[in-house]
Amino acid sequence: NAGVTQTPKFQVLKTGQSMTLQCAQDMNHNSMYWYRQDPGMGLRLIYYSASEGTTDKGEVPNGYNVSRLNKREFSLRLESAAPSQTSVYFCASSEGNRGRGQFFGPGTRLTVL
Amino acid sequence: QKEVEQNSGPLSVPEGAIASLNCTYSDRGSQSFFWYRQYSGKSPELIMFIYSNGDKEDGRFTAQLNKASQYVSLLIRDSQPSDSATYLCAVTRGARDDKIIFGKGTRLHILP
Repeated sequence: NAGVTQTPKFQVLKTGQSMTLQCAQDMNHNSMYWYRQDPGMGLRLIYYSASEGTTDKGEVPNGYNVSRLNKREFSLRLESAAPSQTSVYFCASSEGNRGRGQFFGPGTRLTVL
Repeated sequence: QKEVEQNSGPLSVPEGAIASLNCTYSDRGSQSFFWYRQYSGKSPELIMFIYSNGDKEDGRFTAQLNKASQYVSLLIRDSQPSDSATYLCAVTRGARDDKIIFGKGTRLHILP
């Protein structure tokens, strides 16, 4: 099992460009999440999907959109990138209702110039 | 009051000693508690979870939970240089793990 996979691993954008971060999990998990991690700020939840067909805002949703394409895949889109969105982005998944924790992908390091 | 608080460190521990990492949380309804290890430049890795008051041991790791004091700890016995990492405490709001609050982490440095 690959667990949680993310693409791309690295990306450099110019201000105003758009891009989509892809995430997939093969653990048959119900819930999926997008976080960003910045120095001194810890992990901050951007959006999550408690189950297929549902999405909800997290702590820092502005400037982002998400799509839960199916049970396996959850994408994060930046429509018009800003330097403040320079960060490391992690996708995670969990069973959702068992309290057994979330499992993280390897991350995408994004730089917006 | 922050929802999950950890000392940011760095915590320096000699190789072979016991490393003790602490975490406090504010939500008395939290039911599940987790410790993640994050190496520099890598993603968080779940290493321990605990639901009930008391101790839970897994190899060199022991998680301790005291719900009355709203306190979670992680002990690492026989610390190794490979244990040098940032350790994140996380707690659920209620029982569901789609509502997890993460602490900002404690940096642990094992001195060879």
